[in-house]
Amino acid sequence: TQLLEQSPQFLSIQEGENLTVYCNSSSVFSSLQWYRQEPGEGPVLLVTVVTGGEVKKLKRLTFQFGDARKDSSLHITAAQPGDTGLYLCAGSSNTGKLIFGQGTTLQVKP
Amino acid sequence: GAGVSQSPSNKVTEKGKDVELRCDPISGHTALYWYRQSLGQGLEFLIYFQGNSAPDKSGLPSDRFSAERTGGSVSTLTIQRTQQEDSAVYLCASSFYNEKLFFGSGTQLSVL
Repeated sequence: TQLLEQSPQFLSIQEGENLTVYCNSSSVFSSLQWYRQEPGEGPVLLVTVVTGGEVKKLKRLTFQFGDARKDSSLHITAAQPGDTGLYLCAGSSNTGKLIFGQGTTLQVKP
Repeated sequence: GAGVSQSPSNKVTEKGKDVELRCDPISGHTALYWYRQSLGQGLEFLIYFQGNSAPDKSGLPSDRFSAERTGGSVSTLTIQRTQQEDSAVYLCASSFYNEKLFFGSGTQLSVL
């Protein structure tokens, strides 16, 4: 069974601080996606990483896919209150379904 | 439509009753997914359709859960003889083949 472990589960920081969220697995994924979800809404895709070692930047967010395609990280620089939400990583399995981690709840206090 | 539409948005039912949840995917999207989410938690995979067929039903928790998709479009998730542990948000998503997933806002199911 392919599983994704996210850490930390909860993170509460002050505006302006940096943070990193990790997504780890013992399995290889063909691609990995990061989503952000706000209360009462469905998750919204932030980025997809496909190649081992790939790094993608989206404004203050930096996403990295591990060389072995088993893990990924999301780094946020100078966090803002608008970054508050549930961050989810998801891996594409070889059967086509998307498997999600348990999520990281981020709270950024002004 | 413009996005994935789910109905109802909220459903309160009594233990033992059957419920039917509906998902209208984005027009033209070939793949449709059902997930379940408990408060503040990740998404638990239930079932995935490619067209009208379900290549992967491995996530359905029990035989009380079933889903169908007709005309390569609308899907319904049916839960028979609901139990309190079925209470959760049920999310539907669609994609063009297995590319980016677009999610609906979910159905909040409460079983009393």
